[in-house]
Amino acid sequence: GAVVSQHPSWVICKSGTSVKIECRSLDFQATTMFWYRQFPKQSLMLMATSNEGSKATYEQGVEKDKFLINHASLTLSTLTVTSAHPEDSSFYICSAREDSGLGNIQYFGAGTRLSVL
Amino acid sequence: AQTVTQSQPEMSVQEAETVTLSCTYDTSENNYYLFWYKQPPSRQMILVIRQEAYKQQNATENRFSVNFQKAAKSFSLKISDSQLGDTAMYFCAFMSYSGGGADGLTFGKGTHLIIQP
Repeated sequence: GAVVSQHPSWVICKSGTSVKIECRSLDFQATTMFWYRQFPKQSLMLMATSNEGSKATYEQGVEKDKFLINHASLTLSTLTVTSAHPEDSSFYICSAREDSGLGNIQYFGAGTRLSVL
Repeated sequence: AQTVTQSQPEMSVQEAETVTLSCTYDTSENNYYLFWYKQPPSRQMILVIRQEAYKQQNATENRFSVNFQKAAKSFSLKISDSQLGDTAMYFCAFMSYSGGGADGLTFGKGTHLIIQP
């Protein structure tokens, strides 16, 4: 099956620093990738839609200057949390939609746990 | 905007029993997909089953089947012969689709399913 790799799996950083999270589709091309956020014991909330070669589309209430998304190739999207603060601590999950696949299935990465001190 | 409601925060059944998880949704869209995802303690999101809204036939994947009632906007998941490995959070998810591509997923709050030995 389709595999999505997300790196790092866990990152701890100091308040005010920036953190980059990578999402790669390993065996398929993905023009569209998605970024979600999950707080403890809660559901996933869509943050933004990442499209290769164009600007990301952010959901209402998500600060685009805080969460920078770059989708530079058909297999890689990155999320950079800029000037991170403790309230940004969360579990971030990416997904990728296979371009040639049927049924619009999204394949998920394993997630990144971000802890901001 | 669409909403997904899962009214059972937690369920517990004995191994080998059958369990049904409920999900309702609200949308004005005509073209959409419905999914059930499983999230075990590892937090990796795993696709369990999907249903295209235009199909009347209920989807089935081995021990997993759905009861899709489009008019009632209901999409329940039935797990037969439940196994210990089925213990996880289960999320119902909605995705609209147009000629321009698919949107991100809207998730319900989840049901924590516990399979007792």
